[in-house]
Amino acid sequence: GAVVSQHPSRVICKSGTSVKIECRSLDFQATTMFWYRQFPKKSLMLMATSNEGSKATYEQGVEKDKFLINHASLTLSTLTVTSAHPEDSSFYICSASSTALAYNEQFFGPGTRLTVL
Amino acid sequence: AQTVTQSQPEMSVQEAETVTLSCTYDTSESNYYLFWYKQPPSRQMILVIRQEAYKQQNATENRFSVNFQKAAKSFSLKISDSQLGDTAMYFCASLIQGAQKLVFGQGTRLTINP
Repeated sequence: GAVVSQHPSRVICKSGTSVKIECRSLDFQATTMFWYRQFPKKSLMLMATSNEGSKATYEQGVEKDKFLINHASLTLSTLTVTSAHPEDSSFYICSASSTALAYNEQFFGPGTRLTVL
Repeated sequence: AQTVTQSQPEMSVQEAETVTLSCTYDTSESNYYLFWYKQPPSRQMILVIRQEAYKQQNATENRFSVNFQKAAKSFSLKISDSQLGDTAMYFCASLIQGAQKLVFGQGTRLTINP
C-alpha cells in the first residue's frame, strides 16, 4: 500500500504555544487528506477534510481557528494547533487519499502524540 | 446519516482459536464499501480487509474473512488460527461510494493470549 508519514511522532509543548504537525504522502499524490483525533481507547474522530488547494472542511464542533489546516501541495498537509492547552493533548492521525486510487482508499500516517504541559 | 456500531468493546481468545468480531451499520445508500482496520499497540492503522457492497461473495484475506449480510446490514470479521500479533484494536468502517469520509465504529479491543 501507499506510504504516509507524519512528523513529529511525539511533541511536548508548553501551554499557549503553537505546534505544527506535518503529514506527507511519500509515493502518491494525495488529492485529499484527513485529520483525525483519537482519545485513549477510543475511535478515530474526524476533525477536517482537506482537498489540495482548497480550504479545509471542518467537522461540527472543531474550531477552525484553533486547528489550522493547510494542504498546499499534493504531498503535504499540515495541522497547526494554535495556543495549545492541556485539553488539546491527544493522538493526532492523518490519512491521505487520491481519486486515482480504487475505493477512495485512505492510507494512514503513524500518528503524532501531542502533550501540552 | 451513516452509522457503524461495534457492540463488543473487548474480546479475548487463546492463540490458534477462531474469533469473530461483530459490526453493524446503517446507511440509506446502495453503493458503499466496508472495511476492517487493525490498530496494534504501535497505533498505526492497517487495512485488514475490504468489501464492496455490490459483491455478494464474502471477502477473504488469508486468515481473515468477513460475513457480509447486506439485508441485515451486518459485517463481521472472522480471524482464524489467531496469532499473538493479532492483538490490537479493530475498527469497522464504511464509506459511501463517491464520498470521502470514512465512518468508524467504536472499536473492539482484541487480545490473543498465549
